[in-house]
Amino acid sequence: GAVVSQHPSWVICKSGTSVKIECRSLDFQATTMFWYRQFPKQSLMLMATSNEGSKATYEQGVEKDKFLINHASLTLSTLTVTSAHPEDSSFYICSAPLNRNEQFFGPGTRLTVL
Amino acid sequence: DQQVKQNSPSLSVQEGRISILNCDYTNSMFDYFLWYKKYPAEGPTFLISISSIKDKNEDGRFTVFLNKSAKHLSLHIVPSQPGDSAVYFCAASEGTSYGKLTFGQGTILTVHP
Repeated sequence: GAVVSQHPSWVICKSGTSVKIECRSLDFQATTMFWYRQFPKQSLMLMATSNEGSKATYEQGVEKDKFLINHASLTLSTLTVTSAHPEDSSFYICSAPLNRNEQFFGPGTRLTVL
Repeated sequence: DQQVKQNSPSLSVQEGRISILNCDYTNSMFDYFLWYKKYPAEGPTFLISISSIKDKNEDGRFTVFLNKSAKHLSLHIVPSQPGDSAVYFCAASEGTSYGKLTFGQGTILTVHP
């Protein structure tokens, strides 16, 4: 199947710093990618839809100025957590749909904010 | 508002027996349903899906059943194997929201040898 990668796989940062997470579709082009967040023992919650060449669409309750999304090319979307705080510590996962019925997830990024 | 619910946080079965994982949804606009398997600190892996125009889809040991009137779907794994032990998520999407998935809370499946 198609492959989606994420980098880094884990990151530890100090409170107040910004962290960038990359999501790449390795063998297909994705005009749309999705960013999810998963807290321990909870469901995956959709944060935003990343659109190549246009602004991201954020879900209700997600701060767009805190979670900056840039879909620079058909194979790369980045999520930047700005001024990170301990409550932002979570597991962030991206996904890219190959078509409506096939969607592939990245391996996730574990963010820990001290 | 949890639109997709998996009410059983965990399920334990013996190897070789059937595992049945359940999922309920409230949004009648959902028309496509998927099951994912997930290990800790990894992304979900697609297992099987079903369109709302069907009531059953089978792929090897995995079968998904959809009861639209009850807004209920289930995943059957038979025979269960120890390697099936993982967290299983059901997810749903609407036709108008390309690729956008709403996930249930997940069910931890443990298959004992």
